Amino acid sequence: EAQVTQNPRYLITVTGKKLTVTCSQNMNHEYMSWYRQDPGLGLRQIYYSMNVEVTDKGDVPEGYKVSRKEKRNFPLILESPSPNQTSLYFCASSPPPSGVTDTQYFGPGTRLTVL
Amino acid sequence: KQEVTQIPAALSVPEGENLVLNCSFTDSAIYNLQWFRQDPGKGLTSLLLIQSSQREQTSGRLNASLDKSSGRSTLYIAASQPGDSATYLCAAPGSGNTGKLIFGQGTTLQVKP
Repeated sequence: EAQVTQNPRYLITVTGKKLTVTCSQNMNHEYMSWYRQDPGLGLRQIYYSMNVEVTDKGDVPEGYKVSRKEKRNFPLILESPSPNQTSLYFCASSPPPSGVTDTQYFGPGTRLTVL
Repeated sequence: KQEVTQIPAALSVPEGENLVLNCSFTDSAIYNLQWFRQDPGKGLTSLLLIQSSQREQTSGRLNASLDKSSGRSTLYIAASQPGDSATYLCAAPGSGNTGKLIFGQGTTLQVKP
């Protein structure tokens, strides 16, 4: 089944404890992206990747890192999480060659709470 | 800088009613515009993608239109059903059509039986 998977789905952690949220897609998509969703602020893009080893900042990249070493995976890294990073996180991918201008496929979301 | 706005924020209608959701964007130099559906606690599902060369796209009871000159898109839902209750979001590429995607804040629709 074609899908975008995220792990973990739920995570409660403490301030400063490094964590990684994984994202994987099995559709051979070149474009992948991370978003966070907050009440009243909507969905905001954190980072995106046009292809392997190509990443760029979205609108809210502060406090996050990403890597794209292989096409199927696009992990989101929080080196030192803070409470303001408590949010619902979504990973998405889309097929080549259009990237962001093509249909986006979203993962199920990761609900992160930072205490 | 691209900004996307959706009005209204919430909408409640009786079953069977036809309805229109609105989306406006500030930078009309876009390749396309997308409409998504989000159920509570779930991810987003793509509903319709309208290319800039098209004026509308249809899928079942859904019809989305795009007017770049006015910076507007509408999502028309015909004969609404309780199962249509969800949040509907529109999204447009960021200015310069890089890899950015800008979302509106969504319209939460409730269809009452």
